[in-house]
Amino acid sequence: DGGITQSPKYLFRKEGQNVTLSCEQNLNHDAMYWYRQDPGQGLRLIYYSQIVNDFQKGDIAEGYSVSREKKESFPLTVTSAQKNPTAFYLCASSMDQGARTDTQYFGPGTRLTVL
Amino acid sequence: GNSVTQMEGPVTLSEEAFLTINCTYTATGYPSLFWYVQYPGEGLQLLLKATKADDKGSNKGFEATYRKETTSFHLEKGSVQVSDSAVYFCALSDPAAGNKLTFGGGTRVLVKP
Repeated sequence: DGGITQSPKYLFRKEGQNVTLSCEQNLNHDAMYWYRQDPGQGLRLIYYSQIVNDFQKGDIAEGYSVSREKKESFPLTVTSAQKNPTAFYLCASSMDQGARTDTQYFGPGTRLTVL
Repeated sequence: GNSVTQMEGPVTLSEEAFLTINCTYTATGYPSLFWYVQYPGEGLQLLLKATKADDKGSNKGFEATYRKETTSFHLEKGSVQVSDSAVYFCALSDPAAGNKLTFGGGTRVLVKP
């Protein structure tokens, strides 16, 4: 089955620790994205990548870092510099960000709770 | 900049009622428009989309028409079921902004039997 997987589904960490969220896709999509969702709110873009070894900051990149060493994988690290990291994190991918009809498809999400 | 405004919820309906969720947008370019649905504890699923003016997207009984003159993309379903209870997000993708998605705040829909 083609799709986007995120792991783990739930993640608990102590304050001050870095944590890495996994996102893998087997859709052969070029572009990948990370969003953050807070309760009762819409999604906000953290980082995105159009191609391997390249990525750009989204609207709320501070306190986060990413890498894109493989087409299939786009891990997100939540660093200790992120002031309020508890949230639901969603990864997405799309075939061709340059195309006007490009559509993003989402993974199941990781709920991060910082204790 | 780009923005999406959708009606605040929760919207509570009885089964078989008619559902409308209003969505209006502001965009600098000529966007594509989307409706996504999120069930409790899950990621977003694409419900439908429209890429040009007067296009109608439809899926699972839901419909939305891209209205450029009113900058709107209202979601409708003629007869809702309990299984339609979810949060619905309107979003736009603007080629002038690298096709990044801009989301509305979401509308929670609760359908009671």
